Amino acid sequence: NAGVMQNPRHLVRRRGQEARLRCSPMKGHSHVYWYRQLPEEGLKFMVYLQKENIIDESGMPKERFSAEFPKEGPSILRIQQVVRGDSAAYFCASSATDSYNSPLHFGNGTRLTVT
Amino acid sequence: GQQLNQSPQSMFIQEGEDVSMNCTSSSIFNTWLWYKQDPGEGPVLLIALYKAGELTSNGRLTAQFGITRKDSFLNISASIPSDVGIYFCAGPVYSGGGADGLTFGKGTHLIIQP
Repeated sequence: NAGVMQNPRHLVRRRGQEARLRCSPMKGHSHVYWYRQLPEEGLKFMVYLQKENIIDESGMPKERFSAEFPKEGPSILRIQQVVRGDSAAYFCASSATDSYNSPLHFGNGTRLTVT
Repeated sequence: GQQLNQSPQSMFIQEGEDVSMNCTSSSIFNTWLWYKQDPGEGPVLLIALYKAGELTSNGRLTAQFGITRKDSFLNISASIPSDVGIYFCAGPVYSGGGADGLTFGKGTHLIIQP
């Protein structure tokens, strides 16, 4: 199965710690998107990356959150000094080209719990 | 911004019934996508629509891209227990450089009573 792979599936962090979420896109996909989902809500766009470039980070908080998609290796969403309000499911998606021309395929998410 | 409104918010139906849900927007979309999310999983693409008026089927699922480009509906015929889940509509969000990702509706929760 060459789908979008996210790890870890579950992550528990204490307030003030750092959370690091990883995403490996589908084979052949060079466009990566991160979304956040709160219980009983839809998915909210956070950031869109291509290899080594952040294309749109308009949905990502400017403080404590950062994302990267290096030339080699998975995309990383990093949350520094986590707070309880960061608890959510974080989904990564990938596409072959931009979202108008090729649908997004999602991973199974990382569920972050901040205690 | 581009917002998608889904209705109904939730549906309680009997197994075997047909299901209909829709998605509307105040702005035009050139692509409509329907996803299904099972508990604890990521959304899975069901149907993609690329032309106004297009009607596309995937097994018991049928979706249509509205002529005005501001709406879409999804029908499920003869529902079965595994159809339970949350159904999301989605469409591309554009910036000056092109399509940046998807905006999602808040979902329709489908609950099936055997």
